[in-house]
Amino acid sequence: GAGVSQSPSNKVTEKGKDVELRCDPISGHTALYWYRQSLGQGLEFLIYFQGNSAPDKSGLPSDRFSAERTGGSVSTLTIQRTQQEDSAVYLCASSLGRTSGKGQYFGPGTRLTVT
Amino acid sequence: AQKITQTQPGMFVQEKEAVTLDCTYDTSDQSYGLFWYKQPSSGEMIFLIYQGSYDEQNATEGRYSLNFQKARKSANLVISASQLGDSAMYFCAMREDTGRRALTFGSGTRLQVQP
Repeated sequence: GAGVSQSPSNKVTEKGKDVELRCDPISGHTALYWYRQSLGQGLEFLIYFQGNSAPDKSGLPSDRFSAERTGGSVSTLTIQRTQQEDSAVYLCASSLGRTSGKGQYFGPGTRLTVT
Repeated sequence: AQKITQTQPGMFVQEKEAVTLDCTYDTSDQSYGLFWYKQPSSGEMIFLIYQGSYDEQNATEGRYSLNFQKARKSANLVISASQLGDSAMYFCAMREDTGRRALTFGSGTRLQVQP
């Protein structure tokens, strides 16, 4: 079956612009996660959605970052007024449930470059 | 707070030999999961193996096995019969089952398999 998909694969934007990153999880997976991978910080958790519960936003680095998940499926991560330190690979992952022993399955990522 | 430590930034192994990638963790939770992911140069995060904190047997998945020593808080990955395609970054990760449900990652180990 299809894996986690993300779009765009690459995004170059000017400092100060808003960007939207999209994630389409594996069908039937109720849990969805956003992570960020950058050279200086490694892999960092950003936000977590589980079913219809309120999202865990504890990893978002600032109020410029927000995410939503529509209909329990597709998720969009929005970064407003982008800064150069936002440059990173943004990874989306999904899993069957929050304690699934089969791990989280990752998409290919979106490489964001802020110039 | 949970923490994952990977002390080997880089490792070399000869093709067909076994290699052990080290991972230690710190948590005050009794229930948690430990994961290993592979990230080739293409960037995708590939789930390899999972070990639950209450699992008595070490996890195995094909050529991958996890050497779980709970008292020492270590979860080393053993790759047997290394192949050239095993060259990649390897990340150890932990998920606490009672708190934040996201993965906390180590800094990774870059494995290079030599012919």
